[in-house]
Amino acid sequence: QKEVEQNSGPLSVPEGAIASLNCTYSDRGSQSFFWYRQYSGKSPELIMFIYSNGDKEDGRFTAQLNKASQYVSLLIRDSQPSDSATYLCAVNRGVLTGGGNKLTFGTGTQLKVEL
Amino acid sequence: KAGVTQTPRYLIKTRGQQVTLSCSPISGHRSVSWYQQTPGQGLQFLFEYFSETQRNKGNFPGRFSGRQFSNSRSEMNVSTLELGDSALYLCASSLAGREQFFGPGTRLTVL
Repeated sequence: QKEVEQNSGPLSVPEGAIASLNCTYSDRGSQSFFWYRQYSGKSPELIMFIYSNGDKEDGRFTAQLNKASQYVSLLIRDSQPSDSATYLCAVNRGVLTGGGNKLTFGTGTQLKVEL
Repeated sequence: KAGVTQTPRYLIKTRGQQVTLSCSPISGHRSVSWYQQTPGQGLQFLFEYFSETQRNKGNFPGRFSGRQFSNSRSEMNVSTLELGDSALYLCASSLAGREQFFGPGTRLTVL
């Protein structure tokens, strides 16, 4: 079992729709959860982070965390063609639990927003 | 505020050579982490430095090493390069041990 699992996609959504990206993790000691966006040929860009169960909204993005189910998701509302990229889910045990700053990444989900 | 910078951006080396990559974190950030990204293995953690000390290490051979200087700048070194070391090497900096911000990366090609 991989430590962080994501569906590789591609996930295709029409412009203006809601894109839903999912991620599961195996380490119950994980404390911090991140979503990065990576355009082809570029480095990952942090777009959302969440540390507590529930929802966190920032503009068109909503991150959802359910620690009991070991599940984290990212919703992108009003999807735009510029959102087309690979979305990487990452988890961290955290400094206070001895994990230092080690991020464990999923393989990423490719999102395509179609006109 | 300037972001994370990495030099050089591109490198071509031959098998058996060694290489040194450099990373300057965001001003005020004391934690620097290094990652390797390949199409086959994805993003994998190499090591983390905090206040000039290696705080965490991934599962890479001893050919991969790093260090951090008093100004928080960091270098990583790969000795005896192998073809499989061809990858995008990414540096990330962090202020409070949580959110990590990546630099543009160094693309290493080993021939």
